[in-house]
Amino acid sequence: EVKVVESGGGLVQPGGSLRLSCVASGFDFSNYYMTWVRLAPGKGLDWVAYINQGGSAKIYVDSVRGRFTISRDDATNTLYLQMNSLRGEDTAVYFCARWNYALDYWGQGTLVAVSS
Amino acid sequence: ETVLTQSPGTVSLSPGERATLSCRASQSVRSDYLAWYQHKPGQTPRVLIYAASSRAPGIPDKFSGSGSGTDFTLTVSRLEPEDFAVYYCQQYGNSPWTFGQGTKVEVK
Repeated sequence: EVKVVESGGGLVQPGGSLRLSCVASGFDFSNYYMTWVRLAPGKGLDWVAYINQGGSAKIYVDSVRGRFTISRDDATNTLYLQMNSLRGEDTAVYFCARWNYALDYWGQGTLVAVSS
Repeated sequence: ETVLTQSPGTVSLSPGERATLSCRASQSVRSDYLAWYQHKPGQTPRVLIYAASSRAPGIPDKFSGSGSGTDFTLTVSRLEPEDFAVYYCQQYGNSPWTFGQGTKVEVK
């Protein structure tokens, strides 16, 4: 069974940092692009970043470029999102999702709240 | 960045009716690489359609996608109670990938 499980969310002050993790199982993690998508309160889905197989290509939405870093560890089937210089508008549920022909498997999400 | 504009924002329909959702891109989507997702509160999004018109595995044929270039459509032929949800389009043909703002299909 394919599963992706996020963790690492929480309450952080503006300007602070958090590192999200996503552990994958049930498929050959190293062979897939992986992505982060967020859902802010009252808003729609917002694609954040993706990373290719091997990690040589990393693409970000403009609003997080330079502040967030996506990475992966294929030895432990784990995807990461390092979030620095957090802002109120980063408050959202962050989903990890596998890219196949589309985003075909999603985790349940982890909540990041940025507030003083 | 390719901006996707979905319309309408909200549509009120009755079970058994047909839903037609639109997604318009600010520039042509390369290779018509556009997907549609269904999202219900408290659940994870579910992919319905990819490459504009291909149904994802396990998706019933009441869901169909069409369109190319900048104009795409998702049709739900006969709404059932479980189909009332928010629907998003997403393009992955141009970098960076982007989502539309969503269309809520609610019970009339």
